[in-house]
Order: sequence, then C-alpha cells, then structure tokens
Amino acid sequence: DADVTQTPRNRITKTGKRIMLECSQTKGHDRMYWYRQDPGLGLRLIYYSFDVKDINKGEISDGYSVSRQAQAKFSLSLESAIPNQTALYFCATSEPPGQGAGETQYFGPGTRLLVL
Amino acid sequence: GDSVTQMEGPVTLSEEAFLTINCTYTATGYPSLFWYVQYPGEGLQLLLKATKADDKGSNKGFEATYRKETTSFHLEKGSVQVSDSAVYFCALITGGFKTIFGAGTRLFVKA
Repeated sequence: DADVTQTPRNRITKTGKRIMLECSQTKGHDRMYWYRQDPGLGLRLIYYSFDVKDINKGEISDGYSVSRQAQAKFSLSLESAIPNQTALYFCATSEPPGQGAGETQYFGPGTRLLVL
Repeated sequence: GDSVTQMEGPVTLSEEAFLTINCTYTATGYPSLFWYVQYPGEGLQLLLKATKADDKGSNKGFEATYRKETTSFHLEKGSVQVSDSAVYFCALITGGFKTIFGAGTRLFVKA
C-alpha cells in the first residue's frame, strides 16, 4: 500500500463551489505539506504543518485553507473555487532535519483538479 | 530570495545517449540539494541528494555533484533508457523545511 494517499485523484468542479482534497499518510511523519503544480512553474507551497497544532501559510495560500485532523491526515479546502485554481495538487510528508531521511519529502500521487 | 533554475525542456535523446540536465541555485547559507523525478501519473520521488559542498549523490546510474563555487548541481547519466523518460526537478531546502523547486525538465528517451 502507498505510504501517502490522496483522494480524489481527479475532480471537476464549477466556479464558486467548495471542494476538499484529502491526504493520508502511514509514514508516521509529523511534517505535512500541500503543493500545487502548474506547467512551467514547478511546485509551489500552499500550506505546511509541523504537527497537529502547528499550521503555516506557504507562498500561495490565498483562496485555500487547511485542516490537520490527526498526525496522519491533512486536508486542503478551496472555499470558493475559481478557474485559476485548476492545477495538479500534491501532498507530501517529511521528518525533521536530523531524523531518518531528514529533509527528503515523500509525495502522494496527486489530485488533478479542473475548475470550470 | 532563494531560487532554483534548471534547463528548459523537453530534452529528447536516443537510448544509450549521455544525459546532462543543468541546475543552478541561489541561496543564503548552505542548502541541501535534491533531484526528484516524476514519472507519468505519479507524484515526485527522490532520485538523489547532496547535503554539503563536493558531495556526490548517486542513484540508478544518475549522479550529481554539489558545486558550491559554481552554485550548481547538474544531473548526469552515462546511458539513458526509455524507462528514464520522466520530468526531473532540481530542488534545494533552506531553513530545515522549505523546499524550493525548479520548473522541471521533461526528458523523452527514444528507443
């Protein structure tokens, strides 16, 4: 079974709708991240969480919110979706520096979102 | 601010050709450097990394050397295979958690 899973894998929604993307991990990592991937732009950080009570904005958090329900679960919400949020979204996990693989990030398979 | 610049793609090679994908970075302090690979329909996965100057990361025949003097971390492979077709991302990490990715380079390998 995959260590980092994301649901749904694909989603089509309409402008103005609320949508939630979910991420679960079995790696036991405290640190979790949400990124979006756009062609030619690489990955950009939306939100990150160092543990259940520590959630921080990344470089492009406007229009998004997150919830860390447990160590293993980190959800991303679009409160009112707009077309320029059409992208590929990735969840990732890592350990703190100096532990295990340290700074290496482990990615889920991604959610492809289309906002019409 | 910190940044990563990698060569634009796509890069198209024949099987068994030599591969170089250039990557340069700008960073304060001493970042760790990474190459991630993304196969079609999948998330990114770590290919190799180097944590200090002159370190060489290697995996699956790929290599990259952390060059502080030229702020570079070029990816090389002596003989590519069709199965190496993927998107390759150079990345650095600063502050112990914030990973900055390059735009990605798509590689096509023809049989």
